[in-house]
Amino acid sequence: SAVISQKPSRDICQRGTSLTIQCQVDSQVTMMFWYRQQPGQSLTLIATANQGSEATYESGFVIDKFPISRPNLTFSTLTVSNMSPEDSSIYLCSASQGQGNTGELFFGEGSRLTVL
Amino acid sequence: GENVEQHPSTLSVQEGDSAVIKCTYSDSASNYFPWYKQELGKGPQLIIDIRSNVGEKKDQRIAVTLNKTAKHFSLHITETQPEDSAVYFCAAPSSGGFKTIFGAGTRLFVKA
Repeated sequence: SAVISQKPSRDICQRGTSLTIQCQVDSQVTMMFWYRQQPGQSLTLIATANQGSEATYESGFVIDKFPISRPNLTFSTLTVSNMSPEDSSIYLCSASQGQGNTGELFFGEGSRLTVL
Repeated sequence: GENVEQHPSTLSVQEGDSAVIKCTYSDSASNYFPWYKQELGKGPQLIIDIRSNVGEKKDQRIAVTLNKTAKHFSLHITETQPEDSAVYFCAAPSSGGFKTIFGAGTRLFVKA
């Protein structure tokens, strides 16, 4: 199993600023992912964080808006850049220990961002 | 594209009754079907999963059934308790990558 810690757990941000969310896993994992979850909605994959290389972004998400780092097997960051109220959401870090997408995903408790 | 549909969106049951949540998927190559429970203010947590080589799996009060022909899988919770109240998500893997596709979620209310 894997325990994922995210910080901040919540924040209130001003329009136009950027915020970096940190994700720490207590064991080595193969895959790390960042999801967005609007209130009352499902999970939308932003990108797969790749160790030592650029993240793989899903349609509708771009690196300039959501830069991601993954310097090692247990740590990743997601930055939400130039924030607007539409970016108000819960951002979830996730990880898996398998090679593909046929195993358990572990999730952090999320970072709830409110943009004013 | 690949899709996972989940029904109902909201389910209210009396304590002790059973609850059933259903999902359909579109990619016939999918071979792994997890169910996640998300409590308020927390991240989703896996509660049960099933692989395509079996039709049913049970773990105490929860069970999952899979019909590969119909591309349909269901979560069954028996003897529901108030602590079962949460949002439940079904999921399936996308083909050709490492992505997991989630259903829209079912908000389950168990009334004491």
